[in-house]
Amino acid sequence: QKEVEQDPGPLSVPEGAIVSLNCTYSNSAFQYFMWYRQYSRKGPELLMYTYSSGNKEDGRFTAQVDKSSKYISLFIRDSQPSDSATYLCAMTSRGSSGGSYIPTFGRGTSLIVHP
Amino acid sequence: DTGVSQDPRHKITKRGQNVTFRCDPISEHNRLYWYRQTLGQGPEFLTYFQNEAQLEKSRLLSDRFSAERPKGSFSTLEIQRTEQGDSAMYLCASSGPILTSGIQETQYFGPGTRLLVL
Repeated sequence: QKEVEQDPGPLSVPEGAIVSLNCTYSNSAFQYFMWYRQYSRKGPELLMYTYSSGNKEDGRFTAQVDKSSKYISLFIRDSQPSDSATYLCAMTSRGSSGGSYIPTFGRGTSLIVHP
Repeated sequence: DTGVSQDPRHKITKRGQNVTFRCDPISEHNRLYWYRQTLGQGPEFLTYFQNEAQLEKSRLLSDRFSAERPKGSFSTLEIQRTEQGDSAMYLCASSGPILTSGIQETQYFGPGTRLLVL
């Protein structure tokens, strides 16, 4: 069993729909939770990160963390065709050096928003 | 462009050859990371530098892989005696000092080097 599980999709939705993307994890040591967006043939781009359980909102994006269930979600409201990309969840625990946080990524969910 | 840059963007090589990739981080960032990403998977951590010191290496980094950051600026990743299983996207990311609050720093990724081993 992988430490971070994420459904690869693809998830296809019409423009304007609310999108829900999810990850589950098994490692209780994970402290920080992030969502990255990756367009085809590009590097990942950080969208949001959260530390505690609860919700965090940024524009059309809402990140939700439930540490008791080891479950995180990203909601996208009023989805646009430009949101079509792969969305990666990532979680970190402190590296052995103690100086940085090495993320463990999910495999990503491919999202397609069609006009 | 002041973002993370990687060179080359694409590399095709024959099995058994050596290849070297370069990463230029954002200039004020002291942390630099290498990842490998295969099709349909998320990035997997390979190694991490703080300034010129290599502080952590994943068990994925076999003896054929070596990374350097000689002056604490750009970094190189070399793969010796390449194998077909090395075919992947190699991503570099950089980040600045940990925020004083101790919250996760943001890693900025480059566009990656796509390696194909024939």
